[in-house]
Amino acid sequence: SQQGEEDPQALSIQEGENATMNCSYKTSINNLQWYRQNSGRGLVHLILIRSNEREKHSGRLRVTLDTSKKSSSLLITASRAADTASYFCATDGNSGAGSYQLTFGKGTKLSVIP
Amino acid sequence: EAQVTQNPRYLITVTGKKLTVTCSQNMNHEYMSWYRQDPGLGLRQIYYSMNVEVTDKGDVPEGYKVSRKEKRNFPLILESPSPNQTSLYFCASSIRAAIRGEYNEQFFGPGTRLTVL
Repeated sequence: SQQGEEDPQALSIQEGENATMNCSYKTSINNLQWYRQNSGRGLVHLILIRSNEREKHSGRLRVTLDTSKKSSSLLITASRAADTASYFCATDGNSGAGSYQLTFGKGTKLSVIP
Repeated sequence: EAQVTQNPRYLITVTGKKLTVTCSQNMNHEYMSWYRQDPGLGLRQIYYSMNVEVTDKGDVPEGYKVSRKEKRNFPLILESPSPNQTSLYFCASSIRAAIRGEYNEQFFGPGTRLTVL
């Protein structure tokens, strides 16, 4: 079942601007991950934030997590044309077998215009 | 190079003709998984395997089979493909299935685009 839901579904910005994508989820989590997918390619892991963390940085990426609102945001600063891709949040959820499965949202399609 | 490979990358077939999509990883990962990606629906998990000979259903297992006889391989089998299985399929692996508090990045294959006529 879908857990994470990204917002907006599509985002178009000019190169150099910041891009913000949001993810909402429904049940409690241990951690939340963001992945990137270039058109027609496999997903690539970007960053993880644990449930006891509120903010995390990695290069031009900044992720926040608000567990009270069950939401996360991904900020890409100083965007580049090469950032054009779809971005997915993924949350872990109890599979009922003692392990936790990643559930992906539907993604935000980001277009960065040169 | 550490990677997940899938074959074929593209496949057009007809309804009812059995097919297998192979997935192989060279990272000695315990956990492997199959997803399908459809427009507007995101990625949905089909089956996963926590280790050799251990497989379980994901969210959309109907019409699919898997096997995990060796650690590195996790083939996806469509016994009688139907047009609603036209999709982009991804295999992924991680070092092991996550347990509470753990973080396990998933590594994805390049995808297999399947069309069932």
